[in-house]
Amino acid sequence: KNQVEQSPQSLIILEGKNCTLQCNYTVSPFSNLRWYKQDTGRGPVSLTIMTFSENTKSNGRYTATLDADTKQSSLHITASQLSDSASYICVVSGIGVNNNDMRFGAGTRLTVKP
Amino acid sequence: DAGITQSPRYKITETGRQVTLMCHQTWSHSYMFWYRQDLGHGLRLIYYSAAADITDKGEVPDGYVVSRSKTENFPLTLESATRSQTSVYFCASSARLAGGSYEQYFGPGTRLTVT
Repeated sequence: KNQVEQSPQSLIILEGKNCTLQCNYTVSPFSNLRWYKQDTGRGPVSLTIMTFSENTKSNGRYTATLDADTKQSSLHITASQLSDSASYICVVSGIGVNNNDMRFGAGTRLTVKP
Repeated sequence: DAGITQSPRYKITETGRQVTLMCHQTWSHSYMFWYRQDLGHGLRLIYYSAAADITDKGEVPDGYVVSRSKTENFPLTLESATRSQTSVYFCASSARLAGGSYEQYFGPGTRLTVT
């Protein structure tokens, strides 16, 4: 069973609207949580990274929240643009011998329409 | 340009053939990784390397071989390709951030089709 679950699988919104993507995880113990944006045909690019002590982090129109108690995170996109069309991937790192151990969600495919 | 590159970007091969995917980074990052990405799945780690001549298995290593003779290169070889290895392959390298966490930087990917 995947330790990182994302919802919805896909989402279509109109340009200018806001949206929120969800991530639930079971990785424990927890080190940090990242959100990546992956454009079609490209590799993932980091948007935000949060440790267990942080509950919100912004990057322009992207705001990530984290509730380490309920093991949930969300990515809120404000005033969406056509260029926001991409897959958004939630990635959770555990605390282990390998600090690079990351668990990837399957992603949410966002389409922004004019 | 500095960064992480992969070649080829697209590859079609036949079942049973050997194929090597190349990865090159110019940052001198110690850690490098190979992932595969399939529809409906998150990226899955195939192999990683902590430094030159140090490699270790990830979640799905069967059917793959890696080497790392130089810090900047991390080739992935499919010794005898199977249709189940049709996928998009991503290479990444990793840098340590202030605070102790790591950030991974991904290449553009190689789309491999095994017929």
